[in-house]
Amino acid sequence: DTGVSQDPRHKITKRGQNVTFRCDPISEHNRLYWYRQTLGQGPEFLTYFQNEAQLEKSRLLSDRFSAERPKGSFSTLEIQRTEQGDSAMYLCAIIVSGTGIFGTEAFFGQGTRLTVV
Amino acid sequence: GENVEQHPSTLSVQEGDSAVIKCTYSDSASNYFPWYKQELGKRPQLIIDIRSNVGEKKDQRIAVTLNKTAKHFSLHITETQPEDSAVYFCAVPRDAGGTSYGKLTFGQGTILTVHP
Repeated sequence: DTGVSQDPRHKITKRGQNVTFRCDPISEHNRLYWYRQTLGQGPEFLTYFQNEAQLEKSRLLSDRFSAERPKGSFSTLEIQRTEQGDSAMYLCAIIVSGTGIFGTEAFFGQGTRLTVV
Repeated sequence: GENVEQHPSTLSVQEGDSAVIKCTYSDSASNYFPWYKQELGKRPQLIIDIRSNVGEKKDQRIAVTLNKTAKHFSLHITETQPEDSAVYFCAVPRDAGGTSYGKLTFGQGTILTVHP
């Protein structure tokens, strides 16, 4: 089955608080990607994992952001000392092959919408 | 890094008309060109893609054309329907080989509105 579950779907937090999001692929997938999407913009790449190894971080991922994938299955993204500029949709994606009409594609989860007040 | 420019930012058409969205990229090494559709509050969903070894690909009412020399590719939707209303994003790979399916640079998006 193809799918990515993200939790929570919505999060409202006060500025300065820490938040953690979770991404759970339904089945095993080697590669897992995190993106951020602000209102009216396209998704922006943040980081990705090959199994449990974090292979790349974009310059958007400041020191307040940390991502983990401890067992190579689910992944977490933590933001410390949140700022209003962190308000966005945080999307997780996996690579799926052989489903539907596409040979290979990046399949996105429904995302976690973060609002920092 | 890769620059991706998408135009127009908004597009309004009457039901049954055609819609065309264009995406220009900077890295000539890019070899994979997907288009995603995102409805309000939902996840981006791949609707069509093309590899650099072909110039055009069609799937029912949706087609993508690629001009590698000019470094642009376009999404064509024919016989538009109200349910085509959404935001459409082009994307290109960010990796040096231009083939990554998951590490992508997205365009700014086009809001398509199809009026009944």
